[in-house]
Amino acid sequence: AQSVSQHNHHVILSEAASLELGCNYSYGGTVNLFWYVQYPGQHLQLLLKYFSGDPLVKGIKGFEAEFIKSKFSFNLRKPSVQWSDTAEYFCAVNRPSGYSTLTFGKGTMLLVSP
Amino acid sequence: NAGVTQTPKFQVLKTGQSMTLQCAQDMNHNSMYWYRQDPGMGLRLIYYSASEGTTDKGEVPNGYNVSRLNKREFSLRLESAAPSQTSVYFCASRGQGSYEQYFGPGTRLTVT
Repeated sequence: AQSVSQHNHHVILSEAASLELGCNYSYGGTVNLFWYVQYPGQHLQLLLKYFSGDPLVKGIKGFEAEFIKSKFSFNLRKPSVQWSDTAEYFCAVNRPSGYSTLTFGKGTMLLVSP
Repeated sequence: NAGVTQTPKFQVLKTGQSMTLQCAQDMNHNSMYWYRQDPGMGLRLIYYSASEGTTDKGEVPNGYNVSRLNKREFSLRLESAAPSQTSVYFCASRGQGSYEQYFGPGTRLTVT
């Protein structure tokens, strides 16, 4: 079965620190990759996605992610975090066939202190 | 354009009670999904509907039923609620030819 692993459950950073959240998946075929963000009390919003092409993808709010096929990884990065980035971040994977169901990682809670 | 809407926002049930969570989307999407979110578990798929008239089980379907009433609406029913079903429930939809899912605001359900 396909699984998604997020390396850290909780991350605490100071403002202006750099961020990298790890995500690895187990499926060996072609995949689509997503990072979603959930701000406190809100629903999930798409940060960025990778389907094909340039493995470095840029999303909203200064986030980017790099797909490394050989490592089955899709890590999320931001050079300088802000207090408003405090949220829970979910990596998700789906197979571009069938009913396109998403498999989510367990999430990483990011707390940015001012 | 409201996107994906869910009702109610909050609900408290007693063990054994039943209820239906409603979801509607106005984006003319074919596929709709129900997830539950529990602390430390991420989101897990309960049921999905690839198109009007079809439904399929996801990862955690036990204790739930669904109905794809029409293209817009996809409801989730708990026939006999249990404390283990205390969770936040999210509905999502996806358009044909797109792999991106759009999420509703969620329903926070507590079963005592």
